[in-house]
Amino acid sequence: QSALTQPPSASGSPGQSVTISCTGTSGDVGGYNYVSWYQQHPGKVPKLLIYEVVKRPSGVPDRFSGSKSGNTASLTVSGLQAEDEADYYCLSYAGINTLFGGGTKLTVL
Amino acid sequence: EVQLVESGGGLVKPGGSLRLSCAASGLTVSKAWIHWVRQAPGKGLEWVGRVKSETSGGTISHAAPVQGRFTISRDDSANTLYLQMNSLKTEDTGVYYCFTEYGNDGYWGQGTLVTVSS
Repeated sequence: QSALTQPPSASGSPGQSVTISCTGTSGDVGGYNYVSWYQQHPGKVPKLLIYEVVKRPSGVPDRFSGSKSGNTASLTVSGLQAEDEADYYCLSYAGINTLFGGGTKLTVL
Repeated sequence: EVQLVESGGGLVKPGGSLRLSCAASGLTVSKAWIHWVRQAPGKGLEWVGRVKSETSGGTISHAAPVQGRFTISRDDSANTLYLQMNSLKTEDTGVYYCFTEYGNDGYWGQGTLVTVSS
C-alpha cells in the first residue's frame, strides 16, 4: 500500500488558520475512525496531536482539531503561532497495515 | 509514566543483521498496540510493523518493504519488543522508533540510529 497523500507544504501568518489534508482510500482513512496526527519539530521525537480522527490528548491546545470526510482526514491549526512551525504527519489504521502520510511542512510566515 | 527506550542500533554492512529492542515501563506491552517506525535522514516517517495487544489477537504485521527480512517479536516477561533485521540494505538506514497510542496519549522512544554502509 502507498503512503497517504499530504500536501508537501502549507503556510499561514500568525493568528490565521491552516488546514492540512490527508487523503487515502476506503481501505484506510475512509474505512476506519483511526486517524492520528503527529507534529515533529526538527531533531525531535513526533508528538501526538489528534487520535481517533477528532480526539485530543490532554495537554494539546484546542487550537488543533481533526475531522474526516470520506477518504480524506484533515488537521486544522487555528490561531497560528510561531511554535507551530514543524512537520505534520497523518497516520491511519489500514487493516493488516498502518500507513503514514508523506508529511507536510508548515511554515508560519 | 509510560516510557519506551530503544537500543541496539549501530553501523552494519549491507547484508548484515541487527536486533533492536524497545523496553517499556509504565505499561504492559501485551496490553498495547506497539509499532516500529523509521525515518531516513531528511525524510518522513515510515511504518515498519506492529504487534497488536493480546486482547486484539496479538497479531504481528510487517510493511511490504521489510517483509521477509525484518521480524517483530515480543517478550512479555521482559516487557520488551524486538525488531530483528536481517539482509540489511543501505536504504534501511535511519532512526528507528517504537511508539504506542495508549490510554488516550501517544508515547515514543528517543529512537536508535541504524546505519547500513560498507
